[in-house]
Amino acid sequence: TQLLEQSPQFLSIQEGENLTVYCNSSSVFSSLQWYRQEPGEGPVLLVTVVTGGEVKKLKRLTFQFGDARKDSSLHITAAQPGDTGLYLCAGVAAGNKLTFGGGTRVLVKP
Amino acid sequence: DTGVSQNPRHKITKRGQNVTFRCDPISEHNRLYWYRQTLGQGPEFLTYFQNEAQLEKSRLLSDRFSAERPKGSFSTLEIQRTEQGDSAMYLCASSQGWHEAFFGQGTRLTVV
Repeated sequence: TQLLEQSPQFLSIQEGENLTVYCNSSSVFSSLQWYRQEPGEGPVLLVTVVTGGEVKKLKRLTFQFGDARKDSSLHITAAQPGDTGLYLCAGVAAGNKLTFGGGTRVLVKP
Repeated sequence: DTGVSQNPRHKITKRGQNVTFRCDPISEHNRLYWYRQTLGQGPEFLTYFQNEAQLEKSRLLSDRFSAERPKGSFSTLEIQRTEQGDSAMYLCASSQGWHEAFFGQGTRLTVV
């Protein structure tokens, strides 16, 4: 079983729709990161959240860290085809190693 | 600083051969991670270093895999006697302590 569970595994939506990706765990994280990855490339860091309850916005992307620092969500407003990719959450628990969720593949159709 | 650099980007090798990959982290970062990723999946942890010390190695990693980070700078990942199941993208990342990690572009290994 993975330390971080992402849902859904796959999401296909039309351009202009909204979507939310969830990242859940039973462990408490010192920090949690969201990455976006395109085929054949390494993951690119989107945001880091550190404080419980923290909300960060990056243009049309909104990231939230749960109050207990065990879960997070990524919300995309008015998705565009350029948002297509594999979204990954990753976290460091108790000064340990960085571990990843299984990823959510997002497809935004024009 | 140009970020995390991995070489080569692509490697095709015959089954049974040894391969070595190199990762140059961001210079001030003390942590260096190696992950393996197959298509459509999240990165799977292999091992990580803090400075030159290898702090953890995945139980999934067989004895054919070895990693080094001499002098706490660049790192190498060697796979001996490659098997077809080793075909994957090998990712390297670096961070300063438990802070955000930055990834290289990966090395895609194909074992034929």
